[in-house]
Amino acid sequence: EIVLTQSPGTLSLSPGERATLSCRASQSVSSTYLAWYQQKPGQAPRLLIYGASSRATGIPDRFSGSGSGTDFTLTITRLEPADFAVYYCQLYVNSPPTWTFGQGTKVEIK
Amino acid sequence: QVQLVQSGAEVKKPGASVRVSCKTSDYTFTSYSISWVRQAPGQGLEWMGWIHTYNGDTNYAQKLQGRVTMTTDTSTNTAYMELRSLMSDDTAIYYCARGGGLGGSFDSWGQGTLVTVSS
Repeated sequence: EIVLTQSPGTLSLSPGERATLSCRASQSVSSTYLAWYQQKPGQAPRLLIYGASSRATGIPDRFSGSGSGTDFTLTITRLEPADFAVYYCQLYVNSPPTWTFGQGTKVEIK
Repeated sequence: QVQLVQSGAEVKKPGASVRVSCKTSDYTFTSYSISWVRQAPGQGLEWMGWIHTYNGDTNYAQKLQGRVTMTTDTSTNTAYMELRSLMSDDTAIYYCARGGGLGGSFDSWGQGTLVTVSS
C-alpha cells in the first residue's frame, strides 16, 4: 500500500505570500493519478489539480502543481484570504481501483 | 451543472446500520464512477470504496470489508452506501464523489452527511 505524507502539517503565512506544500509518496507513482484538493471548514473538498499539474475547471492560475516520481508540490502564489484552508493530495491506483489521501496541510493566517 | 445531493443527518446506536443516499443530476450517471469518502471530526479524508455505476463492480477499503456495501439505482441516478455494525469510530461526515475522469480524481462532491454513532 502506497502512503502519501504531506508536509508541513501547518503553514502559517500572510496574505500575498507564497505557499509551498509537499506531498511525498512511499514509492514512485504515476503523476497522471496525483490530485490536490482544497477543503474549507464546513464544506466538501474541491478539486484543484489533477494529473499532478493540470488545474481543474475554474481554478485560478495562482494555484499550480508540479512533481514526479515520489515528490509532488502544490504552490499557491500570492495567497488570498479565500485560500486559507486545508489541502489534501490524493493518489489513484488501478487494479483494483483504490484511492489514498495524504493527511492534509493546513494553511493558516499568520 | 453537475449535482450530487445526499440524504440528511443520521443518529444511530452502536451495532446498527446506516444507509446514505447520493442523488445525482445533470450528467450521464453511468459514465462516471462514484466513490465514498468519510471524515471523522477534526480528521482527514478517508476513502471508503468505489462503485462502477455502469456494471456495478465495487472495491472497498480493506478496513471496511465485510461491513460496507455500495449500490446504485440507475433508474433514479442514485448511489447508496450502507455501513453495518456501527461503532463510535464510524462517527463522521460521509461524502459521495464523482470520479472516472481527469486522472482518477473526484471532480464533484456531495454536500456530506453527518452520521453520529452514540448510545
